[in-house]
Amino acid sequence: GESVGLHLPTLSVQEGDNSIINCAYSNSASDYFIWYKQESGKGPQFIIDIRSNMDKRQGQRVTVLLNKTVKHLSLQIAATQPGDSAVYFCAEKGGKLIFGQGTELSVKP
Amino acid sequence: DAGVTQSPTHLIKTRGQQVTLRCSPISGHKSVSWYQQVLGQGPQFIFQYYEKEERGRGNFPDRFSARQFPNYSSELNVNALLLGDSALYLCASSLGLAREKLFFGSGTQLSVL
Repeated sequence: GESVGLHLPTLSVQEGDNSIINCAYSNSASDYFIWYKQESGKGPQFIIDIRSNMDKRQGQRVTVLLNKTVKHLSLQIAATQPGDSAVYFCAEKGGKLIFGQGTELSVKP
Repeated sequence: DAGVTQSPTHLIKTRGQQVTLRCSPISGHKSVSWYQQVLGQGPQFIFQYYEKEERGRGNFPDRFSARQFPNYSSELNVNALLLGDSALYLCASSLGLAREKLFFGSGTQLSVL
């Protein structure tokens, strides 16, 4: 069946370092991918998206890379800040939006 | 502008009871989706409504139902509550059916005892 998975459940980085969060997906027909950030007690917040006809998209301090060959996408956060501490979800849309289990990012001061 | 609003924020019920959760989308958004998020997992799709019609349903039992009103607000109903229904229920809105970018509310935390 369809599934979206995260490579690591937790990631700890030093403030100022770059963070990379990885995600694997299984549905080759998925044509749209989104990264969400969820802070404690809040709903998921949109970070960045990418369509399957692209392999890279940049936002403010964030970059998403999509490798359709191996069905893998990653979220790169530059100069990670304490406010980036949260759970990050990748989600794919081939019909409905399917979320992965999430990676918890902790930023050490 | 206000974001997606959900009520109540917290709810405690006992097994067998029924619950109704409410959601108001962002002004101008016509599509509402409901998700269930169990602790430690990603949100799981339950329903999508657009223009008052159900446009998608996830793998949830018939105890789960929803509706959308003419003002695009929505209710999620769960009957015969089970302990396993304890979760954070998230509502998300989008401009239209084909618009993938979802904006989420803060959710309703349901505890079933």
